[in-house]
Amino acid sequence: AQSVTQLDSHVSVSEGTPVLLRCNYSSSYSPSLFWYVQHPNKGLQLLLKYTSAATLVKGINGFEAEFKKSETSFHLTKPSAHMSDAAEYFCVVSESRSNDYKLSFGAGTTVTVRA
Amino acid sequence: KAGVTQTPRYLIKTRGQQVTLSCSPISGHRSVSWYQQTPGQGLQFLFEYFSETQRNKGNFPGRFSGRQFSNSRSEMNVSTLELGDSALYLCASRGTSTDTQYFGPGTRLTVL
Repeated sequence: AQSVTQLDSHVSVSEGTPVLLRCNYSSSYSPSLFWYVQHPNKGLQLLLKYTSAATLVKGINGFEAEFKKSETSFHLTKPSAHMSDAAEYFCVVSESRSNDYKLSFGAGTTVTVRA
Repeated sequence: KAGVTQTPRYLIKTRGQQVTLSCSPISGHRSVSWYQQTPGQGLQFLFEYFSETQRNKGNFPGRFSGRQFSNSRSEMNVSTLELGDSALYLCASRGTSTDTQYFGPGTRLTVL
């Protein structure tokens, strides 16, 4: 069985400072891991995806995430927050078995950016 | 390529009514999944369709049903609406042999 835990329900940062969103996962198989962002009243937008090619994954809008198997973590970072980064972020794990893809979503982390 | 589209974007219904939501996937994508998002329960998986067949189903009552057409467009139906069905309903599509899902903007359903 797979599961995802986002360690912070809310993160508040000042504009121009780093952002760190923490995610731990559990999976019985080699998982794919994703980060999605959701702005108010919008759908989820894919930020980045880890598949096993490289442990450091670069995504859109300056975000990146590092996969650490020993810590079962997939934390999302951005060096310098922008006001437009204020949104909800979801860490997602996917297990695929015989073309049966099941996604598990974290509870989400709401990011607030202070001017 | 156009993204995933959902219609309508907003819907207001009263208890006991039924509703049909529509989703058009990205061109070439044959898998469509539906999710319910609420503040209390977060994102919950409803079902997935692939080539007109339901492949996976979440833990929702039978009032929630769906179907997929030969052009991969999908509809979701909720009968006998309850207040608790008020939510953002998200549709996502993916290509064959990939687990990356692309989400539509959602349909905001309000049940009064």
